[in-house]
Amino acid sequence: NAGVTQTPKFQVLKTGQSMTLQCAQDMNHEYMSWYRQDPGMGLRLIHYSVGAGITDQGEVPNGYNVSRSTTEDFPLRLLSAAPSQTSVYFCASSGPGGEPQHFGDGTRLSIL
Amino acid sequence: AQSVTQLGSHVSVSEGALVLLRCNYSSSVPPYLFWYVQYPNQGLQLLLKYTSAATLVKGINGFEAEFKKSETSFHLTKPSAHMSDAAEYFCAVSPMDSSYKLIFGSGTRLLVRP
Repeated sequence: NAGVTQTPKFQVLKTGQSMTLQCAQDMNHEYMSWYRQDPGMGLRLIHYSVGAGITDQGEVPNGYNVSRSTTEDFPLRLLSAAPSQTSVYFCASSGPGGEPQHFGDGTRLSIL
Repeated sequence: AQSVTQLGSHVSVSEGALVLLRCNYSSSVPPYLFWYVQYPNQGLQLLLKYTSAATLVKGINGFEAEFKKSETSFHLTKPSAHMSDAAEYFCAVSPMDSSYKLIFGSGTRLLVRP
C-alpha cells in the first residue's frame, strides 16, 4: 500500500533552473495539496486541487505552478528557482469532506 | 481567516510524566482540528482529529485532545510519556469539510528524558 509517493527525495538546483516535483497517490482521493515546511513556521499551503482539472492557490503560491490532469498525479513546478524556495515540500491527499490528509515523505530541495 | 498558535517551540518531559502540548486556534467558521506527529526525516502522521462530534478525541499511541470552544483550545495530552514519543507535533485547523486546506501551527518539539 504505497499511499502518497513523492519523487525525488532530495534535489539541489541552481538559481534560475526549473524543476518539477512529482506526487502520486493510489487511494483514489479527490483532494490533493502541496505544502512547504520551513523551520519555525510549520507547513504552509502552496496550491491545492479538488479534482482532476481543478486547482487553486493556497497561502504561498508565488513562484509555483500546478496542474492536475489525472486523479492520481499532482506535480508541482518551479519555473525559475530562487534561494527563498529552499525548503522541504510535502504532498498530501484526502478523501471527501473532512477526511484527514495523508502525507508523503517529502522532497528536500536546496537552491544555490 | 484561520490561524493556529502552539505555545512552546520545545517541551521537555521525563519518561513516565504527563505530556501536555498546547494549541489555540482562531476561526470565523466552525473548524476541523487535527494533531499530526513528525518523526525525523519523515512525513506527517495523523494522531487525532476533531470534526464536530465528541469534544474529547482519542487518538493513536495513547494521545487524546479536548476541544474547548469557549477557550478556542485543542490541547494534546498523554498520561505517561515514552521515549518513542520524542518527535515534532503540529496542530492544524481547516474549514469544516475542507481538510485539504490545512493551516498549521509552528510546531512543538517534544523531548523525553530518561
